Amino acid sequence: AQRVTQPEKLLSVFKGAPVELKCNYSYSGSPELFWYVQYSRQRLQLLLRHISRESIKGFTADLNKGETSFHLKKPFAQEEDSAMYYCALDGSGNTGKLIFGQGTTLQVKP
Amino acid sequence: GAVVSQHPSRVICKSGTSVKIECRSLDFQATTMFWYRQFPKQSLMLMATSNEGSKATYEQGVEKDKFLINHASLTLSTLTVTSAHPEDSSFYICSARPGHNQPQHFGDGTRLSIL
Repeated sequence: AQRVTQPEKLLSVFKGAPVELKCNYSYSGSPELFWYVQYSRQRLQLLLRHISRESIKGFTADLNKGETSFHLKKPFAQEEDSAMYYCALDGSGNTGKLIFGQGTTLQVKP
Repeated sequence: GAVVSQHPSRVICKSGTSVKIECRSLDFQATTMFWYRQFPKQSLMLMATSNEGSKATYEQGVEKDKFLINHASLTLSTLTVTSAHPEDSSFYICSARPGHNQPQHFGDGTRLSIL
């Protein structure tokens, strides 16, 4: 079965500290993975996708097929990074049907 | 950038009524739109895929007669919750993408409360 797991509901760090939001997936084929972010009172928006291999707002994520992980990282957290982060999988031949993880709330303290 | 508009943002109504939620792609055409449901403190769950000009495809466990989907044009999909009951209270979110290899864009969501 296809599944996305984000083990941490809440991650609290101080400004300037490194951040890693964990995401593990279960899928037998070649998945497409995404990180979406939802800032307070705003809609869900795409942060990055693994095929583009971009760095957005200082965040990066590397797909590790051996560990079936797609962890989101940022070396120095900023207060404006505080938000809800969702890892998502499109494992159905790029049909657009996303399977979301439970989400992790990132809280960056001053 | 691509914008998806969802309306209304909030609905409160009595048990037994039907509620229609609209999802529009404002600056792009979308042959496919998606409807998700989110319970409090839980993740988004895909309910159905809305296909322009054809029937929607529903995920396992989603009642198609309860959640009617119509995708009559390339920019509009509607979700109608028929004969709504308190257990249908939830946050409903739609999404659409401009092309096959493009990322999805999400609406603001509709908070449905059935009394």
